[in-house]
Amino acid sequence: DIQMTQSPSSVSASVGDRVTITCRASQGISSWLAWYQQKPGKAPKLLIYAASSLQSGVPSRFSGSGSGTDFTLTISSLQPEDFATYYCQQANSFPHTFGGGTKVEIK
Amino acid sequence: QVQLQESGPGLVKPSQTLSLTCTVSGGSISSGGYYWSWIRQHPGKGLEWIGYIYYSGSTYYNPSLKSRVTISVDTSKNQFSLKLSSVTAADTAVYYCARTHTRYFDYWGQGTLVTVSS
Repeated sequence: DIQMTQSPSSVSASVGDRVTITCRASQGISSWLAWYQQKPGKAPKLLIYAASSLQSGVPSRFSGSGSGTDFTLTISSLQPEDFATYYCQQANSFPHTFGGGTKVEIK
Repeated sequence: QVQLQESGPGLVKPSQTLSLTCTVSGGSISSGGYYWSWIRQHPGKGLEWIGYIYYSGSTYYNPSLKSRVTISVDTSKNQFSLKLSSVTAADTAVYYCARTHTRYFDYWGQGTLVTVSS
């Protein structure tokens, strides 16, 4: 299985801050990567697919980059509604696997 | 707007079979173009992909669960289902159904907590 490692596991930030989350795959996955946002008690929400494509309806302050083994999710200006846990997911091969999550907390 | 809703027992006894159904509205499973997935999340933990099915019935399963998992589809009811046999406490989790577009999960159900306990 491809292991997905996210860092940091948590980050404290203030509204307006730029936040960057990293995801590393244990082997190359080309651009087969997605990012999800999950709020407590809710289902995950797809933000980014194919490493850098913004899902319809997702604010443009979210962006993704990377290919191969190293990927980044950036929130350019953190908003109150962005405090949540973020997961990456590889879709290159079976089984599809997720990272352990990064919790974005209020500073 | 596609909506998915999980249903099924919230409590299952050890060694029994967990059975859940996902009802899809706002779109037809049989129209094709999408796979239909089950994903679970252990309490306070990350996400685990269980498997998915196409409207034709073709399936892909996570090898770690493959010996115990069956996913089926009923296009006449616009539903797909999950069966997980021989459950233990380790199968206690929130189970989600999701639409899968090009291997990404773009619409999710709200999730249902299944507890395995005697």
